[in-house]
Amino acid sequence: AQSVTQPDIHITVSEGASLELRCNYSYGATPYLFWYVQSPGQGLQLLLKYFSGDTLVQGIKGFEAEFKRSQSSFNLRKPSVHWSDAAEYFCAVGTSGTYKYIFGTGTRLKVLA
Amino acid sequence: DAGVIQSPRHEVTEMGQEVTLRCKPISGHDYLFWYRQTMMRGLELLIYFNNNVPIDDSGMPEDRFSAKMPNASFSTLKIQPSEPRDSAVYFCASSYRSGGYTFGSGTRLTVV
Repeated sequence: AQSVTQPDIHITVSEGASLELRCNYSYGATPYLFWYVQSPGQGLQLLLKYFSGDTLVQGIKGFEAEFKRSQSSFNLRKPSVHWSDAAEYFCAVGTSGTYKYIFGTGTRLKVLA
Repeated sequence: DAGVIQSPRHEVTEMGQEVTLRCKPISGHDYLFWYRQTMMRGLELLIYFNNNVPIDDSGMPEDRFSAKMPNASFSTLKIQPSEPRDSAVYFCASSYRSGGYTFGSGTRLTVV
């Protein structure tokens, strides 16, 4: 069965610092991979997605993620964090043909001024 | 497009009452999903539809929960009777094939 793990529950970074949020998945074939962001009291917004092709994916708000098949990872990165990036981030994995995605437990990002 | 629209945003009800949550997906999207989010269990998929037809309802917790999609622009999630453990944020999301979900703002349900 497919699964997704976000090992970090909370992460705190200073504004302007770089950010990397970890995501590991378990699935036999090539998965569909997603990162979503949720601000307090809001729904989830899609940051980026990977289906196939170039393993470095660019998303909105200056985020990028890299698919590494050998490590079963899809980590989210941003070179310089802004205070407005404080939110909860969810990694999700899906499979071709089902459109049913499994979400990780989320990583809550705090940004220090 | 106004995005996925859910109503109400907040619902407070007494145990045993019927609760109906509503969702209007994005026009042209052919998949609709209902998720529940709690601190303890995170995001759980309850049910999803393709072209108004329920495809997988294995996540529906029990018979007290039911969902319908009478047409491409409207879906409901009903809980009858409601219980305090149903308190959660319920999200509706829609997508066009596998393009990634667009979520609504959610309905925060409190059962007292």
